[in-house]
Amino acid sequence: GAVVSQHPSRVICKSGTSVKIECRSLDFQATTMFWYRQFPKKSLMLMATSNEGSKATYEQGVEKDKFLINHASLTLSTLTVTSAHPEDSSFYICSAARREVYSTDTQYFGPGTRLTVL
Amino acid sequence: QKEVEQNSGPLSVPEGAIASLNCTYSDRGSQSFFWYRQYSGKSPELIMSIYSNGDKEDGRFTAQLNKASQYVSLLIRDSQPSDSATYLCAVGVDNFNKFYFGSGTKLNVKP
Repeated sequence: GAVVSQHPSRVICKSGTSVKIECRSLDFQATTMFWYRQFPKKSLMLMATSNEGSKATYEQGVEKDKFLINHASLTLSTLTVTSAHPEDSSFYICSAARREVYSTDTQYFGPGTRLTVL
Repeated sequence: QKEVEQNSGPLSVPEGAIASLNCTYSDRGSQSFFWYRQYSGKSPELIMSIYSNGDKEDGRFTAQLNKASQYVSLLIRDSQPSDSATYLCAVGVDNFNKFYFGSGTKLNVKP
């Protein structure tokens, strides 16, 4: 169990366009979903935390109007990169937190989406 | 001070040896501790979770937790070249889904 999918796995777009990335927990309901960005050879950077039915909480320095997060259900969260520019090119990874019976939640990661903005 | 500290490495060990990866954390309210493995160009994959003091073994992997010292480690026995990856330590704090990740330790297992 604990499978998280992401779609698309890879996207190339022109500067100025918007890109939507979907994150789904396939076999569990996620209490919370997280969005990360990772540049080559760098650490994971948390962008935002989202809970179903409420507004996402963005980390300092992350523009909420540029990175729109919608958490439509307990199994689906989407990240939309609006008006993408080449500096937004990165590896975007989502994770979903599964509630454990006798402990705190565990994060499971999706396979990631590689975004290239031309 | 970062919430979770790891030595960035690289840590190089010969094939068949024991690899020891270490992590310290700052929040004494931390309740859950995780080790993830991340291959280059891939997303992190959960290897182990540990919640109470002591050792937890799963195959070739052993996680060790010492809450008094705020220290968690991962031992990989009989290291294989396929274990070469970056290992991320993560800590869960309270019930509000607050997680902190270390920056990762790069492990190289040489044949």
